[in-house]
Amino acid sequence: GAVVSQHPSWVICKSGTSVKIECRSLDFQATTMFWYRQFPKQSLMLMATSNEGSKATYEQGVEKDKFLINHASLTLSTLTVTSAHPEDSSFYICSAKRQGRGTDTQYFGPGTRLTVL
Amino acid sequence: EDQVTQSPEALRLQEGESSSLNCSYTVSGLRGLFWYRQDPGKGPEFLFTLYSAGEEKEKERLKATLTKKESFLHITAPKPEDSATYLCAVHSVANFGNEKLTFGTGTRLTIIP
Repeated sequence: GAVVSQHPSWVICKSGTSVKIECRSLDFQATTMFWYRQFPKQSLMLMATSNEGSKATYEQGVEKDKFLINHASLTLSTLTVTSAHPEDSSFYICSAKRQGRGTDTQYFGPGTRLTVL
Repeated sequence: EDQVTQSPEALRLQEGESSSLNCSYTVSGLRGLFWYRQDPGKGPEFLFTLYSAGEEKEKERLKATLTKKESFLHITAPKPEDSATYLCAVHSVANFGNEKLTFGTGTRLTIIP
């Protein structure tokens, strides 16, 4: 299989603090990982594409200085929400593209529920 | 710009009542169409990838088909555990090189025992 994990699964923080979310591919190497945000009853919205060893590519309207992404290894990408505010409360989901396969398939993590008070 | 439309938005079926979910797409050139299942509070679970018109794939009670304009997810004799939101996504030639997927808003399927 292709297993992707996220940590933590949920986090509650005060406004103004920073929160780091980890995304790991457990049984394969991923040169490319993706970060999505999902609001209630809405579909997934891509925030950024994370490539191992290089800078992330952010979608239009996503603040790169607020959502810091680091893809330091072939199995780990991190998303840091800096100076979080209540409007950043959402469900954050990462995905990883399996390296070396002929398919474009992305495998998703279980998600992280962020609540900013 | 790539567009994906899923219908219906919600579907309630009796256990054992077969039906189909629709995913219509408009892309500059299709590289792949994906079906995922998402349970509440969880990340999407991969089901199928379809690459060309006429292709079909099956997994247990689910079968996905693809034409040049749409894809169907057929569910045969569903069980309550099939209740979930089913998401369709496309990867197009326009996004070749950046692997970006465009998602539909999903169909929320409820199977009543």
